[in-house]
Amino acid sequence: QQQVKQSPQSLIVQKGGISIINCAYENTAFDYFPWYQQFPGKGPALLIAIRPDVSEKKEGRFTISFNKSAKQFSLHIMDSQPGDSATYFCAASVEETSGSRLTFGEGTQLTVNP
Amino acid sequence: DAGVTQSPTHLIKTRGQQVTLRCSPISGHKSVSWYQQVLGQGPQFIFQYYEKEERGRGNFPDRFSARQFPNYSSELNVNALLLGDSALYLCASSLNRISSLRTDTQYFGPGTRLTVL
Repeated sequence: QQQVKQSPQSLIVQKGGISIINCAYENTAFDYFPWYQQFPGKGPALLIAIRPDVSEKKEGRFTISFNKSAKQFSLHIMDSQPGDSATYFCAASVEETSGSRLTFGEGTQLTVNP
Repeated sequence: DAGVTQSPTHLIKTRGQQVTLRCSPISGHKSVSWYQQVLGQGPQFIFQYYEKEERGRGNFPDRFSARQFPNYSSELNVNALLLGDSALYLCASSLNRISSLRTDTQYFGPGTRLTVL
């Protein structure tokens, strides 16, 4: 069962532009929403994360916007650079006594042209 | 400090064989999770271990098993390999099984690429 839906599947932006990736979830018990960045041949690396008690979190050029009522969240990459070219995954989990397990979206292949 | 390490990097097996993948967590991390990432898809949760006990299992058949050792390293075993088991197998470690003060961030290793012929 796909519980986290991610779009678009691929995205091409020009250097300096804004990249926007969207995710929607179904399970209202999710209470932790991280974004991971993955380069070819590497494991996913945590980029930024948010909890549902805030609507926005910014770290450098990366911003998460969160809409709890719509069960949606998005990643905005400002001033996109060629080095940002990678696959981005949104994820969600429930922090519970049994430990968190991440449910990932299907990924967005971002290409930033110079 | 070293990150999560996995071995081997690549592995080629034939259908019906068995495979063992290994993971060493970040020093001090007691929780290890395993994920399967099929090409072009997001990682899928397989197992989580904490203090050598299974704490979570994803929707995978019994052919998949794992264990955690006293030094918190872990092995993932897959029996009777199928072509569909070809994937990148990721190991992630985290500090705490539960935390009321902060999020239990998972840190991923580079993965083991398994090809089943």
